[in-house]
Amino acid sequence: QVQLVESGGGVVRPGRSLRLSCAVSGFAFSDYVMHWVRQAPGKGLEWVAAISNDGSNQDYADSVKGRFTISRDNSKNSLYLLMNSLRPEDTALYYCARSYFWFSDFDYWGQGSLVTVSS
Amino acid sequence: EIVLTQSPGTLSLSPGERATLSCRASQSIDSNYLGWYQQKPGQAPRLLIYEGSSRAAGIPDRFSGSGAGTDFSLTISRLEPEDCAVYYCQQYGSSPRTFGQGTKLEIK
Repeated sequence: QVQLVESGGGVVRPGRSLRLSCAVSGFAFSDYVMHWVRQAPGKGLEWVAAISNDGSNQDYADSVKGRFTISRDNSKNSLYLLMNSLRPEDTALYYCARSYFWFSDFDYWGQGSLVTVSS
Repeated sequence: EIVLTQSPGTLSLSPGERATLSCRASQSIDSNYLGWYQQKPGQAPRLLIYEGSSRAAGIPDRFSGSGAGTDFSLTISRLEPEDCAVYYCQQYGSSPRTFGQGTKLEIK
């Protein structure tokens, strides 16, 4: 069955960096566009970044552009999010999700990895 | 950026009743790029409706989506206690992909 499992979250001080990972199984990873979506505590969903199936195209929300980098390793069935210059407002549960096309629905989601930015 | 505004913020209904959730876009959207998600407490979002009106795999026919242009809706007929959740609309036809702020559905 389709599985997406995030890891790498934790508590980090403002200005520091953190890398999230998303390990997938149960589907042909290299066929799918992948996304990161975050949810601040008690708040709604915010799309963060997307990467094309072959990794050649990336897209970012303005709130993270220039600080976050999305990448993937299709040989390892893994998606990554490198987060630099973290701010308290980046505190959230970070989900990875897949879509079949660059602009299409997110049909499977992981369970999330919590990132807390605090001094 | 396309802003999605959902209403009402909270909806409280009884089992067996019908719920209608609204999603209004700040500019016209092709309905092929409008989806609805359900999020229960402590769980990840789950896709309910894609392309405006198509039910995702395993979603019961009590859930239906409709709309065009800037006004879309999710209807849940014959509410069940398990439908208690927050529901989000999303447009995925342009960047940034955006979500509405959510409607919380309470079952009395």
